[in-house]
Amino acid sequence: GQQLNQSPQSMFIQEGEDVSMNCTSSSIFNTWLWYKQDPGEGPVLLIALYKAGELTSNGRLTAQFGITRKDSFLNISASIPSDVGIYFCAGLKQGAQKLVFGQGTRLTINP
Amino acid sequence: SQTIHQWPATLVQPVGSPLSLECTVEGTSNPNLYWYRQAAGRGLQLLFYSVGIGQISSEVPQNLSASRPQDRQFILSSKKLLLSDSGFYLCAWSNRDDQPQHFGDGTRLSIL
Repeated sequence: GQQLNQSPQSMFIQEGEDVSMNCTSSSIFNTWLWYKQDPGEGPVLLIALYKAGELTSNGRLTAQFGITRKDSFLNISASIPSDVGIYFCAGLKQGAQKLVFGQGTRLTINP
Repeated sequence: SQTIHQWPATLVQPVGSPLSLECTVEGTSNPNLYWYRQAAGRGLQLLFYSVGIGQISSEVPQNLSASRPQDRQFILSSKKLLLSDSGFYLCAWSNRDDQPQHFGDGTRLSIL
């Protein structure tokens, strides 16, 4: 099935650094979502974006819905050890029941 | 507020044995319900979804089946497990179409 192109696949950074990851698609989505998954747990919704161009923050996290509606990015500022995990983007088309997921970005932080 | 419960958290089963994983949602009515499987270090694969009692859509041909006997209950089953059924199974719900999904804590299934 369709997947979103999420990059990078993995990141190894130092504590305190900023992080940036993105998702792109060849088709338009009406909603973009960002999830974080800790080891052995289910993904948790971080940010939901509903309008093209929308920029939304949740603490140190900022995400944007691209104006073409075909991409989104997630930034994490001043990373801390608990930011470690896998981040997934997901898109929803209008009237759709199913999410389309990216492959995930695995974030590792060196203290 | 809404909550989702999955059990068991971990399960070890022999090849050829049956399976029943249960998921329940509280605090909402007529949710969309979903079953996903996640292989180690991989992304999420949608297995089944349901928009109402008794309504099941299957996404991939496989050894598993799903049922929704009650509005907020979703069950994943198999009559005979295969080694390839090992994985991390996640249940999710959403209020309706177009809305974000919210995931349970998952069931780690190991087949021996």
